[in-house]
Amino acid sequence: RKEVEQDPGPFNVPEGATVAFNCTYSNSASQSFFWYRQDCRKEPKLLMSVYSSGNEDGRFTAQLNRASQYISLLIRDSKLSDSATYLCVVIGDYGGSQGNLIFGKGTKLSVKP
Amino acid sequence: DTEVTQTPKHLVMGMTNKKSLKCEQHMGHRAMYWYKQKAKKPPELMFVYSYEKLSINESVPSRFSPECPNSSLLNLHLHALQPEDSALYLCASSQDAGGREFFGPGTRLTVL
Repeated sequence: RKEVEQDPGPFNVPEGATVAFNCTYSNSASQSFFWYRQDCRKEPKLLMSVYSSGNEDGRFTAQLNRASQYISLLIRDSKLSDSATYLCVVIGDYGGSQGNLIFGKGTKLSVKP
Repeated sequence: DTEVTQTPKHLVMGMTNKKSLKCEQHMGHRAMYWYKQKAKKPPELMFVYSYEKLSINESVPSRFSPECPNSSLLNLHLHALQPEDSALYLCASSQDAGGREFFGPGTRLTVL
């Protein structure tokens, strides 16, 4: 059972392109949603939280659709420095008061000059 | 201080060695985590400590032994590891369990 599924990569795009990543999750009781980015041989770093109302941070826009159990990340005007693996992360709810991060397999983005 | 630090950065050990990985945060976070990450795979949760008590053990073999001496420190004791245990070991912390997590840089472990 795949709890968090992401678009298969890699995505190879030119600088300046707009690219969208999608993610679906299976547990309807999931509470919180995030996008992390991970550079090669580095730790995951929180990119942004994802809210039902949608949220934007500069060139990045994240959206959550609870009814469809679907999360998206849109990157506008791609930069070379955006090249990384983008991890869709869901905090599960397995009863009790605690959840833990459930990671998708990640989508690799490569931005070319 | 908004950092999670981990030592050592790299570790090479034999299958009969005993070693420890260390993790520290001074953000006042009450939940700390150990993850294992193999190449081209997402991190896999190993252990969760909440308020210094082990709350989740994701069926990790006993050759991995976590310890939380205080709210800022988290150790992972290693003994009789196998070559397939070679991976990046990531520590993370969050304000409370179930919150967004901040990761340390990881320890890259090689078991010979």
